[in-house]
Amino acid sequence: GAVVSQHPSRVICKSGTSVKIECRSLDFQATTMFWYRQFPKQSLMLMATSNEGSKATYEQGVEKDKFLINHASLTLSTLTVTSAHPEDSSFYICSARRASTDTQYFGPGTRLTVL
Amino acid sequence: AQSVTQLGSHVSVSEGALVLLRCNYSSSVPPYLFWYVQYPNQGLQLLLKYTTGATLVKGINGFEAEFKKSETSFHLTKPSAHMSDAAEYFCAVSFNNDMRFGAGTRLTVKP
Repeated sequence: GAVVSQHPSRVICKSGTSVKIECRSLDFQATTMFWYRQFPKQSLMLMATSNEGSKATYEQGVEKDKFLINHASLTLSTLTVTSAHPEDSSFYICSARRASTDTQYFGPGTRLTVL
Repeated sequence: AQSVTQLGSHVSVSEGALVLLRCNYSSSVPPYLFWYVQYPNQGLQLLLKYTTGATLVKGINGFEAEFKKSETSFHLTKPSAHMSDAAEYFCAVSFNNDMRFGAGTRLTVKP
């Protein structure tokens, strides 16, 4: 089966610092990766779509300078939350789309808490 | 534009009873449809998906869903609920890399 990992699973940081979250497809190549944000008891909201080797496409209302996305290889995408604020506290989930299918495989999520 | 509506943010059933989680979609083109399950503090696990072909799709853990184009529905069912089925369930529609999720339905299973 397709496996996607995220690291770290949980992170607590101080306001004003930056946090990097990694998303890896462990057993397949992912030409496209997605980053979602989920608030408590709510659905997933797509933040951005990243394709390997190109700039990410951000959804309306998502600040690209605050949420930096890098998709440097076919198995790794990173999301960096810059100058984090308490309102950035959330559950961040990535997914990876296998190159040959239309199915997204989701990571286990990263819970970010900004103090 | 695509969208998904899940009717009922919370469904409660007794163990052994039928599970029915409703999902309606809107899409200007034939969609791909998915059901995912999410346990607390975890990511999403794919239960089943419909792309083309047979409209009744069987997934993991005894779940199945039927694509009804005339009703623009993709309801999720399971004949007999188990305590371990308690979780949040999300219906999603996808076209051309654009996946949109419903608001989710929390399933509670009573002993």
